[in-house]
Amino acid sequence: AQSVTQLDSQVPVFEEAPVELRCNYSSSVSVYLFWYVQYPNQGLQLLLKYLSGSTLVKGINGFEAEFNKSQTSFHLRKPSVHISDTAEYFCAVTGGGTSYGKLTFGQGTILTVHP
Amino acid sequence: GAGVSQSPSNKVTEKGKDVELRCDPISGHTALYWYRQSLGQGLEFLIYFQGNSAPDKSGLPSDRFSAERTGGSVSTLTIQRTQQEDSAVYLCASSSYPGLSTDTQYFGPGTRLTVL
Repeated sequence: AQSVTQLDSQVPVFEEAPVELRCNYSSSVSVYLFWYVQYPNQGLQLLLKYLSGSTLVKGINGFEAEFNKSQTSFHLRKPSVHISDTAEYFCAVTGGGTSYGKLTFGQGTILTVHP
Repeated sequence: GAGVSQSPSNKVTEKGKDVELRCDPISGHTALYWYRQSLGQGLEFLIYFQGNSAPDKSGLPSDRFSAERTGGSVSTLTIQRTQQEDSAVYLCASSSYPGLSTDTQYFGPGTRLTVL
């Protein structure tokens, strides 16, 4: 079984400041990791995903995440945020083999960017 | 091209009534997923379709919930005898390659269900 913990339910930050949204996972098998963003009244949009290879993954809108197997973490970062980054962010995991892509999500982190 | 669409966008119903929620996946996507997003439980997997078959229904919370998919395309999630705890946003997602964990799931905007 897999689980995901997002360590912060809310993260307030000022515009142009850096931000890190934290995600830890647990799994007994190899995992694939994802970050999704949800803007108000919209569905989920994929920001980035880690499948294999380089542990630093770059996504859309200037976001990046680093896979750390020893710490079982997949933290999301952006060096300079914009007002438009205000949204809820979800970390998710799925396993290989026969798990066919069934996603297990964290509880979400609400990022609020203040002017 | 068109994304995943869901209808209705909002549904208000009375306790005990049946509801049907519809999902139109991206054309050509053979895998389809239903998830539920609620305040207390976060985002939860409900059911997965590969073509018209549902190999995994393990996330359906009770036998009041059922889903079907026809023609390898449209899917309907039915909730019978709705309860207040069914109030949530129901999200549908589709992807190109069933059985491939690395495939990207594309989500629809969701149906917000409110049970009075």
